[in-house]
Amino acid sequence: GENVEQHPSTLSVQEGDSAVIKCTYSDSASNYFPWYKQELGKGPQLIIDIRSNVGEKKDQRIAVTLNKTAKHFSLHITETQPEDSAVYFCAASHGNQFYFGTGTSLTVIP
Amino acid sequence: KAGVTQTPRYLIKTRGQQVTLSCSPISGHRSVSWYQQTPGQGLQFLFEYFSETQRNKGNFPGRFSGRQFSNSRSEMNVSTLELGDSALYLCASSLASRSSYNEQFFGPGTRLTVL
Repeated sequence: GENVEQHPSTLSVQEGDSAVIKCTYSDSASNYFPWYKQELGKGPQLIIDIRSNVGEKKDQRIAVTLNKTAKHFSLHITETQPEDSAVYFCAASHGNQFYFGTGTSLTVIP
Repeated sequence: KAGVTQTPRYLIKTRGQQVTLSCSPISGHRSVSWYQQTPGQGLQFLFEYFSETQRNKGNFPGRFSGRQFSNSRSEMNVSTLELGDSALYLCASSLASRSSYNEQFFGPGTRLTVL
């Protein structure tokens, strides 16, 4: 089955700096890669996603890149703000089956 | 559109008891998936239901079961509760269209504590 690895497990950045979270996957059949943000006491919220036929996608301060050959994808957050502090999960999917990374706890220091 | 709703939000049970959790998907969504989230194991897939049928299943013991109703609402049942079942149980819904890309949206979860 699919195996998704996520790094780092914790990340601290100064407000205004950039944050990068990386994930790798093992199953070449995976074709959809969402990223979720989970705040304390809440369920994961979909923040951005990318399909296998696209190499990069941006939404304001958030961007995701995908390298299908190397089987890795990354989340980039620019100009970080304290409200970006949360746990971020990557996932790889094919069909309607999702496999999640173990999460990255991001802390933005004011 | 209302999001995914889960009830109850919090639950305290004792070992050996059973519990039923409920999930109402986003209107029009036909697929419901259940996950167990614990600090040590992350998000673990339990099962997925589509059109009242279990379509995918994770590696959990038979004490964990579920069902889906004709209105797409889903319930999850855990029998003979163990201390290790304490976790946040998350429900997620998706359109499950014929497209390969199905956005999945999560509910707020049910926090189960087993004493």
